[in-house]
Amino acid sequence: DTEVTQTPKHLVMGMTNKKSLKCEQHMGHRAMYWYKQKAKKPPELMFVYSYEKLSINESVPSRFSPECPNSSLLNLHLHALQPEDSALYLCASSQPGGLAGVIETQYFGPGTRLLVL
Amino acid sequence: RKEVEQDPGPFNVPEGATVAFNCTYSNSASQSFFWYRQDCRKEPKLLMSVYSSGNEDGRFTAQLNRASQYISLLIRDSKLSDSATYLCVVRRGYSSASKIIFGSGTRLSIRP
Repeated sequence: DTEVTQTPKHLVMGMTNKKSLKCEQHMGHRAMYWYKQKAKKPPELMFVYSYEKLSINESVPSRFSPECPNSSLLNLHLHALQPEDSALYLCASSQPGGLAGVIETQYFGPGTRLLVL
Repeated sequence: RKEVEQDPGPFNVPEGATVAFNCTYSNSASQSFFWYRQDCRKEPKLLMSVYSSGNEDGRFTAQLNRASQYISLLIRDSKLSDSATYLCVVRRGYSSASKIIFGSGTRLSIRP
């Protein structure tokens, strides 16, 4: 089973709202990722958690706040977003390879389509 | 210059044709390479990891050329269901702590 689930599927929010996106995987993966994807563009990496610790933050504005409560869950808290933040937000997970030369492969969830009004 | 470059296409080929995509990367420290496919309004799905020796999975063959810093994907006997955007993904290292870069994607359309 290579399933990553994300909720909600769609979200519409105003610029003053606070909302959260959720991601869950039960594959025992210890690395989880948030990506943002605009139409006709490739996914852009936002955050990486490895063993529940934030290991990469790609200079994402503070209005996006990630949280990893445990090894299966990843949240993205949203506050005071702008219309240009409207996009597909993808979660992914992977199992750390551990040894050099062992390729670590990411599996993506279906995404949350976010519209900021 | 982008760190990972792909021909955006679109490639429009008849069913049954063979089609090849290339992807070039500029950072020689890159260690892991992947092809993903993405259907319209769906998430990327792993097609193949690309190994140094090259690898094949049914109608799909991936090659890595470290000297020239490119990877390729060959699709033989193409099917209508192969229509999608193909994303080249490069990681600077083997682990989740290493940076991941996506190419812009190559659009493929298979016609009956």
